[in-house]
Amino acid sequence: RKEVEQDPGPFNVPEGATVAFNCTYSNSASQSFFWYRQDCRKEPKLLMSVYSSGNEDGRFTAQLNRASQYISLLIRDSKLSDSATYLCVVNNPQGAQKLVFGQGTRLTINP
Amino acid sequence: DVKVTQSSRYLVKRTGEKVFLECVQDMDHENMFWYRQDPGLGLRLIYFSYDVKMKEKGDIPEGYSVSREKKERFSLILESASTNQTSMYLCASSLEGGTYEQYFGPGTRLTVT
Repeated sequence: RKEVEQDPGPFNVPEGATVAFNCTYSNSASQSFFWYRQDCRKEPKLLMSVYSSGNEDGRFTAQLNRASQYISLLIRDSKLSDSATYLCVVNNPQGAQKLVFGQGTRLTINP
Repeated sequence: DVKVTQSSRYLVKRTGEKVFLECVQDMDHENMFWYRQDPGLGLRLIYFSYDVKMKEKGDIPEGYSVSREKKERFSLILESASTNQTSMYLCASSLEGGTYEQYFGPGTRLTVT
């Protein structure tokens, strides 16, 4: 079983739609969770951290469910510029500062 | 702003050549990482370093070595390049004791022919 699993997509949604991604992680001892964004042929960049109580940043909402070991990302009122690959990331409890990356979910927003 | 730079964006090498990939960060981060990214496999950790001259193997260290002689610089070495090492190589850094956030360089797309 992969340590972090995501649906690779692709997700194709119209501009203005709401889209949600989930990911699951296998190590219940993980404490830190993130969503990274990666544009085509670019490096990954932190989109947002995910906190236990859930958190929002503009049109983006991240949720954590520790009991079920899954993380979600919701994008409201999607824009063309949201087209990217979204990587679910958790820390590796056995290795200080090490992160484990999901393979990413590819999102395309269509006009 | 944190800046992580990598020596080349694109590199083409022949099988058996020794290849050096260089990474430099300007934020005085203790931790530095080398990943490779392949379609369908995501990012996989090759090696990481938590201090000068300190290194640890990641998930796929075979065929690679690393060097960290200065805090800001972390080099990945392919001792004898093979075609299965054709990939995108990404360097990252993070602050020890921080939030675990890693900052990535732009990547080097290496092709081994």
